[in-house]
Amino acid sequence: QKEVEQDPGPLSVPEGAIVSLNCTYSNSAFQYFMWYRQYSRKGPELLMYTYSSGNKEDGRFTAQVDKSSKYISLFIRDSQPSDSATYLCATSNNAGNMLTFGGGTRLMVKP
Amino acid sequence: DAGITQSPRHKVTETGTPVTLRCHQTENHRYMYWYRQDPGHGLRLIHYSYGVKDTDKGEVSDGYSVSRSKTEDFLLTLESATSSQTSVYFCAINGDSNEQFFGPGTRLTVL
Repeated sequence: QKEVEQDPGPLSVPEGAIVSLNCTYSNSAFQYFMWYRQYSRKGPELLMYTYSSGNKEDGRFTAQVDKSSKYISLFIRDSQPSDSATYLCATSNNAGNMLTFGGGTRLMVKP
Repeated sequence: DAGITQSPRHKVTETGTPVTLRCHQTENHRYMYWYRQDPGHGLRLIHYSYGVKDTDKGEVSDGYSVSRSKTEDFLLTLESATSSQTSVYFCAINGDSNEQFFGPGTRLTVL
C-alpha cells in the first residue's frame, strides 16, 4: 500500500462546477500537507500549504485536512478551463523537508 | 518564479553512458532535492542535499549519485544510464517556510 493514495482520474467537469480532489494517507506522523498543480510538460506549482488539521482558503481554492481520518481535500470553486491540469497532493512529517506524493489526479474542465 | 533552472531540458542518450543533470538556484536556499516522475508512480525522491557537500539518499537512489560543491548548484549523475532511468527529472528547493518549489524538469530518454 502506498503511503499517499490519490485517484488518478481523469475527472471531467463543466466550467463553473465545484471540483473536489482527495487524497488519503497512512502515516499518522504526517503534519504538513500540500497541493501542487502541474500543467502538461511543466514542473509542479505549489497551490496550498497547510499545517495540521483544518481549512485554508486562497481565492477559489480551499484545502481541507482531517487528520482523524487521514484525509485531505482540495476544493476548486467556479472551475475554469485553465484549471485543467494534474493535481498532486503531498505530505511530510518534518516541515516539508521529505515530501511523500500521491500519484496525481488529472482534471479536465470543459467550456 | 522560484529561481530554479535545470539543464539540459531534454536529453537522449544510450545505455551505459554517463549522464549529468544540473540544477541551479538563485535563492541561496540550503535544501535542494532531485525527484523523478513516472506514470503510475508520481514523484519519487532520489537524493537531497542539506548544505554544501551534505547529501543523503531518498526513496529511489540506486544508480544515481549527487554532488553539491556550491550552494547554488546540485548535480545528479547517472554513472551508467539504463533504460529504466528514462524519466522526467525535477529539481526542487525549500522556500522560507519550508515549502518546496520545483524547477521546469529535464526529460531524459535512455535508448
